[in-house]
Amino acid sequence: QVQLVQSGAEVKKPGASVKVSCKASGYTFTSYYMHWVRQAPGQGLEWVGIINPSGGSTSYAQKFQGRVTMTRDTSTSTVYMELSSLRSEDTAVYYCARDTSVPSNYLTDWGQGTLVTVSS
Amino acid sequence: EIVLTQSPGTLSLSPGERATLSCRASQSVSSYLAWYQQKPGQAPRLLIYNTSNRATGIPDRFSGSGSGTDFTLTISRLEPEDFAVYYCQQYGNSPPLTFGPGTKVDIK
Repeated sequence: QVQLVQSGAEVKKPGASVKVSCKASGYTFTSYYMHWVRQAPGQGLEWVGIINPSGGSTSYAQKFQGRVTMTRDTSTSTVYMELSSLRSEDTAVYYCARDTSVPSNYLTDWGQGTLVTVSS
Repeated sequence: EIVLTQSPGTLSLSPGERATLSCRASQSVSSYLAWYQQKPGQAPRLLIYNTSNRATGIPDRFSGSGSGTDFTLTISRLEPEDFAVYYCQQYGNSPPLTFGPGTKVDIK
């Protein structure tokens, strides 16, 4: 079955960077786009961006342009999301979420989430 | 960017009752609307896509309807495990994907 397993919680200082991983299994990694969505404590869901694991192309929400980089490693079926210049408002649970094979831009399978805490 | 609003913010109901949740878009998204359920400490789960199609394994007490700017998620008879937060998400004009603020369904 499809599994998306994310890396563990992180604590970072303001101004630092964080890199979160999402290891996929149970399907053909390069056939499904992957999204990143975040959720601040007690808040709703916010889309961060998308990566095509096949060619590596990306699209980011304007809010994160210049601060976020999504990459992938096809040899390990892993996607990464790196967020730089962290501020307290970036404290959130970050999820990777799989699209359909088309892609369609709705999210069929989700990782367990990675809590990123930004605190001095 | 398309803004989604959801109403009500909180819905207090008893098991066995019918739940009707609303999602409104700031402009037409055609039928490109999905619904997710999220329980505390868990990732969201896809319930409905393309307005009315149930995702794999979703019970038929969940149904979706609407088009354009107005959408509804209906839970015909609430089961204890249905008390959660529900989010709508549009993908008719994306990127960016956008989500509504959520409706919490809690036990009356």
